[in-house]
Amino acid sequence: EPEVTQTPSHQVTQMGQEVILRCVPISNHLYFYWYRQILGQKVEFLVSFYNNEISEKSEIFDDQFSVERPDGSNFTLKIRSTKLEDSAMYFCASSGQGDNEQFFGPGTRLTVL
Amino acid sequence: GESVGLHLPTLSVQEGDNSIINCAYSNSASDYFIWYKQESGKGPQFIIDIRSNMDKRQGQRVTVLLNKTVKHLSLQIAATQPGDSAVYFCAERGQGFSFIFGKGTRLLVKP
Repeated sequence: EPEVTQTPSHQVTQMGQEVILRCVPISNHLYFYWYRQILGQKVEFLVSFYNNEISEKSEIFDDQFSVERPDGSNFTLKIRSTKLEDSAMYFCASSGQGDNEQFFGPGTRLTVL
Repeated sequence: GESVGLHLPTLSVQEGDNSIINCAYSNSASDYFIWYKQESGKGPQFIIDIRSNMDKRQGQRVTVLLNKTVKHLSLQIAATQPGDSAVYFCAERGQGFSFIFGKGTRLLVKP
């Protein structure tokens, strides 16, 4: 069964450093998403991506964040200068259609020290 | 503003019993809802969805009920099993493709 994969599973970084979180969506999907979940809190939408451009983003997704689909398989989230409050689980998801079920990856735990 | 919330943070049931998990939403214009299951250390897993033109939808052992009058969503799990133990949360489609998630209810199934 196809699945969304994410690497690394855990990323530890110093405050102010750049991090890139990587995702491989399901191969025939067209819509891609990033969410985050701070420990003990609800899942929060960050950004959706379709046709090689951002289709929506939340208030969380400020200028420090960017997404890219550098090739036909990867979908990345970059945080330019990490802050302590960026520590969270980051989930990538993909869907075949925009209003269909989103398949989530296992997440990357980001710890900013 | 938009919000999705849950009435009970923890639900404990006996194996074999039916479970009902509730969710309230505030945006009456929302047209699509999903229930997710999240096990420890894993990403959310789709369980069942429902569109606003429906009141009820059934899957395997799960049923989702939508009451648009009171903006309430529920997930019913029949014959709850130990493997059903997880955090369950509802998600409401906000603007476009984004979803607003509730905080979750932890379901504990006692053998």
